[in-house]
Amino acid sequence: AQTVTQSQPEMSVQEAETVTLSCTYDTSENNYYLFWYKQPPSRQMILVIRQEAYKQQNATENRFSVNFQKAAKSFSLKISDSQLGDTAMYFCAFLDTGVIQGAQKLVFGQGTRLTINP
Amino acid sequence: DVKVTQSSRYLVKRTGEKVFLECVQDMDHENMFWYRQDPGLGLRLIYFSYDVKMKEKGDIPEGYSVSREKKERFSLILESASTNQTSMYLCASSLAPRTEAFFGQGTRLTVV
Repeated sequence: AQTVTQSQPEMSVQEAETVTLSCTYDTSENNYYLFWYKQPPSRQMILVIRQEAYKQQNATENRFSVNFQKAAKSFSLKISDSQLGDTAMYFCAFLDTGVIQGAQKLVFGQGTRLTINP
Repeated sequence: DVKVTQSSRYLVKRTGEKVFLECVQDMDHENMFWYRQDPGLGLRLIYFSYDVKMKEKGDIPEGYSVSREKKERFSLILESASTNQTSMYLCASSLAPRTEAFFGQGTRLTVV
């Protein structure tokens, strides 16, 4: 079974700094999808960024970028110029397309609580 | 915008009660998911469904069942609630295959 590991339970940085959140995963598949989700205090989960494993280029979305190392099964999230609104729980997730046509199973890591200090 | 609505934001139930958590999505998504979220454990998948009346067990299905009679609605059932089922429950949906999941606002269930 696929597993996703986030080894940093909590992180804290000053506003405008750059922060990197770590994620590793375990799979025997070759084609898959990885995601970072954000959960602010409002509890609403929001997609931050997505990476497709067959694409070598790292995904970027404005201040958010990933460092995808397929051989190492590593998928870290970098937040540049951090803002107070980035304070949230961040979850790494792996999409397992499974053996049933059309079925997909989204597996999450334990989460990292990120605090941006003024 | 996609909307995933969970019937309750907070719920308090007694041990042994049968509990229904309802989730409705408005975008004709094939896939729907139920997770529970506990501190330090992240989101753990309870059940998921990839079509009407089709369901698959996730990683922690014990003590739960699900129902999907209509495409837009996915219900999580706690047959006999226990205190160790006190948790945050999140519903999600996605358009198959390989697309992002959209989440409801969560139901914080307390079993006393």
